[in-house]
Amino acid sequence: DIQMTQSPSSLSASVGDRVTITCQASQDIDNFLNWYQKKPGKAPEVLIYDASTLETGVPSRFSGSGSGTDFTFTISSLQPEDIATYYCQQYDSFPRTFGQGTKVEIK
Amino acid sequence: EVQLVESGGGLVKPGGSLRLSCEVSGFTFSSYSMNWVRQAPGKGLEWVAYIISSSSYIYYADSVKGRFTISRDNAKNSLYLQMNSLRVEDTGVYYCSKGSTGTWGQGTLVTVSS
Repeated sequence: DIQMTQSPSSLSASVGDRVTITCQASQDIDNFLNWYQKKPGKAPEVLIYDASTLETGVPSRFSGSGSGTDFTFTISSLQPEDIATYYCQQYDSFPRTFGQGTKVEIK
Repeated sequence: EVQLVESGGGLVKPGGSLRLSCEVSGFTFSSYSMNWVRQAPGKGLEWVAYIISSSSYIYYADSVKGRFTISRDNAKNSLYLQMNSLRVEDTGVYYCSKGSTGTWGQGTLVTVSS
C-alpha cells in the first residue's frame, strides 16, 4: 500500500498569511494526487486534482505542485472561510490512501 | 448540477447489516467509476471501496474485505454498499464519490453499537 505522509498535522496562521502543507508518498504516484478541503458536517470538496489542476470554481489563492513522491499545497492568502481540515489523497493505485489531514486555524 | 445523495444509515448492533444507497443526478452515471469513503468520529478519511463503470472491476480496503459489497445499478443511477458483520469500528459517516477526482455526497451516518 502507498503511505501518504502529510505535514503539519495542524497549523495556526493569521488572515492574509501564506500557508503551505506538504504530502509525501511512499512511492512514485506520478501526479495522481487530490487535495480536499473538509469542514465539519460537510462533504469533502476537491480543490486540486492531478496534483496541480484547480477545480472549477475554486478560488485562485489555492494551488498545488509536485510530482512523483513530493507534493505541496498552498493557500497564498489565508481567509477566515479557509478554516478547515485539508487532506491529500493518491489515486495512482489501490487501496486509495489519504494523508492524515492538516487542521488549519486562524491565529 | 451534479448531485449525490446517500441514504440507509442508522443504528445497528455489532454483527448486524445495513445497505447504503447513493442516488446520483446531473451526470452520466454509467460512464463513471464510483467510491465509498468513510470518516470515523474525530478521525481522518478512509477509502472503503471502488467500482468501475461496468462493474467489472471492484476493489476493497482490507478493513472491509469479505464483509462489505459494493454494487451499482446504472439503469437506476444508483450505487450501493451492502455492509454485513458490522463492527463498532465501522461507525462513521459514509460518503459516495464520483470518479477519482469528483464530487462527493453529503454522507450518511452509520452507528454500530450495542
